[in-house]
Amino acid sequence: GENVEQHPSTLSVQEGDSAVIKCTYSDSASNYFPWYKQELGKRPQLIIDIRSNVGEKKDQRIAVTLNKTAKHFSLHITETQPEDSAVYFCAAKEAGGFKTIFGAGTRLFVKA
Amino acid sequence: DAGVTQSPTHLIKTRGQQVTLRCSPKSGHDTVSWYQQALGQGPQFIFQYYEEEERQRGNFPDRFSGHQFPNYSSELNVNALLLGDSALYLCASSRDRATDTQYFGPGTRLTVL
Repeated sequence: GENVEQHPSTLSVQEGDSAVIKCTYSDSASNYFPWYKQELGKRPQLIIDIRSNVGEKKDQRIAVTLNKTAKHFSLHITETQPEDSAVYFCAAKEAGGFKTIFGAGTRLFVKA
Repeated sequence: DAGVTQSPTHLIKTRGQQVTLRCSPKSGHDTVSWYQQALGQGPQFIFQYYEEEERQRGNFPDRFSGHQFPNYSSELNVNALLLGDSALYLCASSRDRATDTQYFGPGTRLTVL
């Protein structure tokens, strides 16, 4: 079955810097890759997603890139702000099925 | 437009007991997935319900079962609770014709003593 690995597990950046979180997946047929942000004690919130027919997607300060050949995808946050501090999860949806597999998460700290 | 709701918020049970958790999907959504999130980990897929049927299941024992009602709401039942079942249980809803995009509820924090 699908397996998703995420790194780093912890990331600390200065306010205004960029942050990059990387994920790899095992099933080359996976076709949908969402990213969720989870603040302490709250629900995961979808922040951006990308499908396998697209290589890059951007939404304001957030962008996601997908390299299908290498089976990895990354989240890029520019001009980080203290309110970006949270745990970020990448995920991959199995092709031909309904299961979404999540990475273990990256705890992002943005220092003011 | 109501988002995904779950009840109860918190629950404390003892080993061997049974528990039922409830989820109401986002308005317009007909598909419900359940996830278990242990502390410090990512959500793990338990199963997904559509048209009142379980249509895919993750690596969870039969002690975990579910149900979906005609109004698309869903229940997760866990029997013979173990200490290791302590976790945040999340429900996510989506529309079947666009099943990729899921929206999560606030979760139910289950503690097994």
